[in-house]
Order: sequence, then C-alpha cells, then structure tokens
Amino acid sequence: DAGVIQSPRHEVTEMGQEVTLRCKPISGHDYLFWYRQTMMRGLELLIYFNNNVPIDDSGMPEDRFSAKMPNASFSTLKIQPSEPRDSAVYFCASSFSRANQPQHFGDGTRLSIL
Amino acid sequence: DAKTTQPNSMESNEEEPVHLPCNHSTISGTDYIHWYRQLPSQGPEYVIHGLTSNVNNRMASLAIAEDRKSSTLILHRATLRDAAVYYCILTNAGGTSYGKLTFGQGTILTVHP
Repeated sequence: DAGVIQSPRHEVTEMGQEVTLRCKPISGHDYLFWYRQTMMRGLELLIYFNNNVPIDDSGMPEDRFSAKMPNASFSTLKIQPSEPRDSAVYFCASSFSRANQPQHFGDGTRLSIL
Repeated sequence: DAKTTQPNSMESNEEEPVHLPCNHSTISGTDYIHWYRQLPSQGPEYVIHGLTSNVNNRMASLAIAEDRKSSTLILHRATLRDAAVYYCILTNAGGTSYGKLTFGQGTILTVHP
C-alpha cells in the first residue's frame, strides 16, 4: 500500500521566494496533519484538517504560512515570502478518524532557505 | 496537556531486550499512551499504544503501571535497525486536542553490535 507521499523531498530556494510543499495522504484517511521539525524546537504540529476542513491552525507560526486541502487526496503548505528561519524538515501525516488511530507520516520535505 | 518525561538517551547491545521508560504523573483517566519512533532521515513511525492494560504487537510490548503514572516500551530483542529516537506521547480521545500529537525530546536509543 502507498503511504503518505510528500513532494518535493528537498527544496533549496532564496529568501523571499514562495515555497509550496505538497502532500498526498493515505486513501481513506480523513485526518491530515502538517508538522515541522528543527533542531531547536523539535517536532511541532502546525495545522490539521478533518474531512478537508482546517480544525486547528494554532501552530502556524505566522501569516506567511498557509495550508489548504482542496480535496481528500491533496494538501499544500505554502510559505510566502520565505525566510531563512523557515529552514526545517516538514512532515505530513494522515490517519483515520476513529479514536487514537495511529498517524502515518511521510518521509518529509527538507527545506533550506538561503 | 499532560506531560511525559523520558531519559535523553539509552544504550543497548544487539539481541538484548531494551526497556524504555516514560513518566506521566499527571495523566488523566481518558489519556492514551502512544509510542512513536523516528529513524534517521525518516518521518516518525507508530510503534504501539494503550490505555490501561499491557499491549503487545509485532514491534514491541507496552507495560503500563497500575496507577498509569508510568509506562515502559519493551523491545524484546534489539537490532541495529531499532536505533532511533523514541517518543512517548499522551493523547486524549476527545475534546479539542483530539488526534493531536505533542512530541517531546524523546529518548535516543543507540544499539551496539
């Protein structure tokens, strides 16, 4: 079975550019999560969706970050404009909605902002 | 949210059992105990979870103290592929925190050949 698919795997771009990260959740999963991992702050939840609707975006660091889920099989995390401090590994995860179902994570996108 | 406390690091030898402890003294009655691990350069991977009773699966066993203030993840025979960061996380099945995983620093497990 295909797991959570993220693209690109690596992204290097210059400060000020728009960055778009993509995620395809596991088919049938109705929860989707975006996380960010840095050495300083560890793994942080940014936002999560249920049935394509954002439920909690309290972890989104600032207005430069936005996330969308136009349908059940696709989500994007956008940073505009990007800054060097946004450099991190961004993970997407998905799960079923039944209580305490495990989250399945993608391999992440390693983002470097120069 | 209830917090967990784990040792920063542990070491083991290959083929030996490993017991990874986790303290969660402020756990509530409806909090589940989850364990995830993160291998180098990969996303976190679900290992096991439980509420009150001990749990076993193909990857590991979870032993939960009677008062639920602590738990132990047991890898019965460590392999080099088990070297990872192990996270103990509490989740609540309801309310606004439903489904949210709050990762701490975890325990870095080193396995020696």
